Amino acid sequence: EIVLTQSPGTLSLSPGERATLSCRASQSVSSSYLAWYQQKPGQAPRLLIYGASSRATGIPDRFSGSGSGTDFTLTISRLEPEDFAVYYCQQYGSSVLTFGGGTKVEIK
Amino acid sequence: QVQLVQSGAEVKKPGASVKVSCKASGYTFTNFYMHWVRQAPGQGLEWMGIINPSSGGTSYAQKFQGRVTMTRDTSTGTVYMELSSLRSEDTAVYYCARGVRIVDLDYWGQGTLVIVSS
Repeated sequence: EIVLTQSPGTLSLSPGERATLSCRASQSVSSSYLAWYQQKPGQAPRLLIYGASSRATGIPDRFSGSGSGTDFTLTISRLEPEDFAVYYCQQYGSSVLTFGGGTKVEIK
Repeated sequence: QVQLVQSGAEVKKPGASVKVSCKASGYTFTNFYMHWVRQAPGQGLEWMGIINPSSGGTSYAQKFQGRVTMTRDTSTGTVYMELSSLRSEDTAVYYCARGVRIVDLDYWGQGTLVIVSS
């Protein structure tokens, strides 16, 4: 089973700053099957990025995804107040779907 | 619009079973796989398995093999997740989520809190 490790665990930033979140896989992941989600307290997760770099419907262009193989990145170019949340990466391979442990983006 | 509406919260005793429902609307039910994901209090997301609403075929995470059963009712557009031999560690919010491109989870239910306590 592929293990996804997200870093940092917590990111303390101010609105307007750039956020860079990392997701590292224990073995190579198909870019087609790498996604990112945002979750706010008390809410279900929301799909942000699929296929490593494609934005889901309605997702602002300040969110971007990149990477391949074992290293993937979610970048938020300029943090808006509504972007402070927990972010999860997710992969699918060998009939198993796994999530990373999450990165919390908090207001500094 | 796409909606996934789950059944209400449950309180169960250790050793019991729970069955959570997820009613889909706003799209063709049999065209999209459905996943179940759970989240223990203050913890991350954990995938439980997937069901093909068209065929009824399932695939479960190894951790839940033998304890989880996912089914569907095409007449009502509802999928079900039953978890047996409950223990305190199963206390969590359980989500159904539609899989677009099979594995990208684009719509989620509101979540069902299951509490396992003696």
